[in-house]
Amino acid sequence: AQSVTQLDSQVPVFEEAPVELRCNYSSSVSVYLFWYVQYPNQGLQLLLKYLSGSTLVKGINGFEAEFNKSQTSFHLRKPSVHISDTAEYFCAVSPSGGYNKLIFGAGTRLAVHP
Amino acid sequence: ETGVTQSPTHLIKTRGQQVTLRCSSQSGHNTVSWYQQALGQGPQFIFQYYREEENGRGNFPPRFSGLQFPNYSSELNVNALELDDSALYLCASSSPPGGLSNSPLHFGNGTRLTVT
Repeated sequence: AQSVTQLDSQVPVFEEAPVELRCNYSSSVSVYLFWYVQYPNQGLQLLLKYLSGSTLVKGINGFEAEFNKSQTSFHLRKPSVHISDTAEYFCAVSPSGGYNKLIFGAGTRLAVHP
Repeated sequence: ETGVTQSPTHLIKTRGQQVTLRCSSQSGHNTVSWYQQALGQGPQFIFQYYREEENGRGNFPPRFSGLQFPNYSSELNVNALELDDSALYLCASSSPPGGLSNSPLHFGNGTRLTVT
């Protein structure tokens, strides 16, 4: 069975500092990987996705992630965060391909401080 | 382009009651998925509907049921509510179901259900 582990439940960081949110997955088959962001009282918004091809994926709002098959990781990074990046971030894997029936991690709360 | 809308935004029910949550999919999307997000956790897949038929189900008991209508809107019904059903219920639409698509899941803002 596939699963997703987000290694940090909370990540505090100062504004303009770099940040990395860690995600590991387990799967015996090829996977599609996603990062979603959830702002307070809102639904989830897709930040970026890895389906195939280049292992470095760029998304919206200056975020990027690197797929590492040997380490079964898909860590999210941003070189310089803003206060507005404060939100909950979810890593997800698709067991059936495509964008549906996603398995989510428990989430990482990113708190950006001035 | 109209996004995914869910109603109501908040709901309080008593244990044992039944509840119906509604979702209007984004324009042009024919697939609706429902997720349950308990407090402090990631969303869990409940089921998906495509062209009015259930197209996959997660590990949820039969008292969780759904419908999809010809206009692709959807309902989630939960019978015999339990305290653990308290959660944010998220609806997401897409087109088409599964496979590679240029249309990833678009989520609504959710319905917050509290069971007392």
